Amino acid sequence: QQQVKQSPQSLIVQKGGISIINCAYENTAFDYFPWYQQFPGKGPALLIAIRPDVSEKKEGRFTISFNKSAKQFSLHIMDSQPGDSATYFCAARGPYGNNRLAFGKGNQVVVIP
Amino acid sequence: DAGVTQSPTHLIKTRGQQVTLRCSPKSGHDTVSWYQQALGQGPQFIFQYYEEEERQRGNFPDRFSGHQFPNYSSELNVNALLLGDSALYLCASTLGQINTEAFFGQGTRLTVV
Repeated sequence: QQQVKQSPQSLIVQKGGISIINCAYENTAFDYFPWYQQFPGKGPALLIAIRPDVSEKKEGRFTISFNKSAKQFSLHIMDSQPGDSATYFCAARGPYGNNRLAFGKGNQVVVIP
Repeated sequence: DAGVTQSPTHLIKTRGQQVTLRCSPKSGHDTVSWYQQALGQGPQFIFQYYEEEERQRGNFPDRFSGHQFPNYSSELNVNALLLGDSALYLCASTLGQINTEAFFGQGTRLTVV
């Protein structure tokens, strides 16, 4: 059972454009929603995260938008750069803060010059 | 500050064999979780160790077992390897079991032939 569903599966964006990746979750007891970035041959690295009592969080070029009633959240990458080309995973923690992460299947983003 | 380190980086085993993977958590972290990442998929939670005991377990058979040592490092053992066990095995460490950020290692790529 996939507790976190991610879309689209892949994305091609022009340099300077906006990349948007969406996630939907099922369990309302999840309490923390991180996005991870993974390059080939590397482990996932935390990019940005949000808690369900906040609707938006911005860190540099990365923004998470969170819609608690729809059980959805999304990652926006502004001014996309070729170095942002990677696989992005959304995840949800819990329930009840137990540090167990449920991941989406991932989204491959390719930024073309 | 050393991050999460895993060894070996790559491993090839024959079906039916046993394998042991190793993980040293980030300095100051005391909790280790293991994830299996099949090609093109998101990481799947295997189990979590805290205070040298398995605290949580995902939907994996008993062929998957682990251990945590007093210095917080951990091992993942897989017995009777199947072709389907071929994957990237990731170790993540946190400080405590709840409400803390997970840091991932680079993973061990296991190939079963």
